[in-house]
Amino acid sequence: QKEVEQNSGPLSVPEGAIASLNCTYSDRGSQSFFWYRQYSGKSPELIMFIYSNGDKEDGRFTAQLNKASQYVSLLIRDSQPSDSATYLCAVSFSGNTPLVFGKGTRLSVIA
Amino acid sequence: GAVVSQHPSWVICKSGTSVKIECRSLDFQATTMFWYRQFPKQSLMLMATSNEGSKATYEQGVEKDKFLINHASLTLSTLTVTSAHPEDSSFYICSSMGGTPGELFFGEGSRLTVL
Repeated sequence: QKEVEQNSGPLSVPEGAIASLNCTYSDRGSQSFFWYRQYSGKSPELIMFIYSNGDKEDGRFTAQLNKASQYVSLLIRDSQPSDSATYLCAVSFSGNTPLVFGKGTRLSVIA
Repeated sequence: GAVVSQHPSWVICKSGTSVKIECRSLDFQATTMFWYRQFPKQSLMLMATSNEGSKATYEQGVEKDKFLINHASLTLSTLTVTSAHPEDSSFYICSSMGGTPGELFFGEGSRLTVL
């Protein structure tokens, strides 16, 4: 059974700091990895996706993937109070299979 | 990105009634729609995959006779919760595939409360 594990948090960081969110997955054949942000009572919205080992940067966000360790992370630089949300890690085995989501990590950025 | 419109955004109903949730793709043709359910502080759990013009594929443990999914057109998929009970109270979200493999575009979600 495919599983995606995340620390539920809450993770509290001061404004301007780096927030580090971690995710592990059970299926070694997984190919696509996504980070979604979900505000309370709202649907998830895509932040980033990554396919290859290494880092991928987009603005203040950096996704890191290590397939050997079955580990994917999201770094948020210069954290802002508006970044306070639940961050969902999602994994897909192939392009046509449904995503498997982790439970999410709740991030709180304190002004 | 693609726009997926879902409504109602919230609904309160009495136990035993049926509730229909609609999900529309506004600017693209969605041959496949995914229906997820999310309980408080829990992960999104896939309920079923609906394909236009064919029967939906339900995940293990999801009652297909209770959660009726219809995907009669390329722009509309519906989920009907039949004979709803309080334990069906949840956040239901539809989604469609984006251009990137594995990427999903989500509807706004529907919060169902069964009294």
